[in-house]
Amino acid sequence: QQQVKQSPQSLIVQKGGISIINCAYENTAFDYFPWYQQFPGKGPALLIAIRPDVSEKKEGRFTISFNKSAKQFSLHIMDSQPGDSATYFCAASITGNQFYFGTGTSLTVIP
Amino acid sequence: GAGVSQSPSNKVTEKGKDVELRCDPISGHTALYWYRQSLGQGLEFLIYFQGNSAPDKSGLPSDRFSAERTGGSVSTLTIQRTQQEDSAVYLCASSPFGTKETQYFGPGTRLLVL
Repeated sequence: QQQVKQSPQSLIVQKGGISIINCAYENTAFDYFPWYQQFPGKGPALLIAIRPDVSEKKEGRFTISFNKSAKQFSLHIMDSQPGDSATYFCAASITGNQFYFGTGTSLTVIP
Repeated sequence: GAGVSQSPSNKVTEKGKDVELRCDPISGHTALYWYRQSLGQGLEFLIYFQGNSAPDKSGLPSDRFSAERTGGSVSTLTIQRTQQEDSAVYLCASSPFGTKETQYFGPGTRLLVL
């Protein structure tokens, strides 16, 4: 059973546009929600993360929106650039030892 | 400073052979994780180490898979009697204080079982 459901599977956005990737979870014990960015041939790298005590976190062009009641969180990439083209993974974890990852979103930003 | 390193970067093996994949975490990181990433799929958790002990082995897909960590540092993932469905990228990550901290990923080992 997929603990974290991610959508869409792929996304094409024009340069300068907004990219939005969504994730949903069921386990209310999750208390840490990171987003990872992965370029081809590389391991994932942490992009931005949020804890459930806040509803939004912004770092540069990247924003996480968190809706605790709906058990959903999303990544917004403002002013998307071709260099943002990568695969993005959401994840969730609880105190303990395991991270659960979404299935990934392949983002292509068209110049 | 050095990041997480993994070796080999690529491995081609024949079905039925055993393989060993190595992970060198960032120095001082106490937590170490192994994941499997199949083509077009997300990251599948395999096992987690805190120090040399593995409190969570629940992700290992079969008894052909095993892992150990020695000296609180290097870890080895062993796959015995490899099968074609074992073909994937095996990623290792480490973090300094446990699961709420950033996981730093290595570049992965690409395993192909013929």
